[in-house]
Amino acid sequence: SQQGEEDPQALSIQEGENATMNCSYKTSINNLQWYRQNSGRGLVHLILIRSNEREKHSGRLRVTLDTSKKSSSLLITASRAADTASYFCATAFSSSGGYQKVTFGTGTKLQVIP
Amino acid sequence: DAGVIQSPRHEVTEMGQEVTLRCKPISGHNSLFWYRQTMMRGLELLIYFNNNVPIDDSGMPEDRFSAKMPNASFSTLKIQPSEPRDSAVYFCASSLVAGWNQPQHFGDGTRLSIL
Repeated sequence: SQQGEEDPQALSIQEGENATMNCSYKTSINNLQWYRQNSGRGLVHLILIRSNEREKHSGRLRVTLDTSKKSSSLLITASRAADTASYFCATAFSSSGGYQKVTFGTGTKLQVIP
Repeated sequence: DAGVIQSPRHEVTEMGQEVTLRCKPISGHNSLFWYRQTMMRGLELLIYFNNNVPIDDSGMPEDRFSAKMPNASFSTLKIQPSEPRDSAVYFCASSLVAGWNQPQHFGDGTRLSIL
């Protein structure tokens, strides 16, 4: 299976602390994406990192990608209560049918305590 | 800009009934995806359309499920007959296909309960 696995499954931190979530996958990818899901809502795209990139920043988010270890991490700095959500990694890869396929991991549930 | 629009937001029905979920993708997006999310199985891709044509339906659970995309601005997912194990949140997402490195944009889902 191409599905990513997030670690940890759940994370609880104090407001202002940094939160780090990890994602591991199994085969070659074209890109890796991180999404956030607030309770009762759809997934929202946060950041996309291509397979030839090693690090990417967007505001308080920092994503790293290590293709040799088939892993990625998402760092949220100076966390806020509003960051409380589930975070998913998604891996995009070339399918045997010639199209891009995206599979989602199982998610990390982040709780930021005010 | 309007995002992906799904209807209804909630659906409660008795087993055996037909259920139809609807999705309007973002204008200009060429790819449309239907997902199912449950606590046990996470987020599962059911079917993927590109330019209104089904490309990958390997995730459709069984013949009770069918999906159509009659035009670029509308898609339906139908379950007939419905069963209690179909209870889940169903999401529709769309993306540009111009380049492969494109994110998906999700609707807020339909929470389906089959009694």
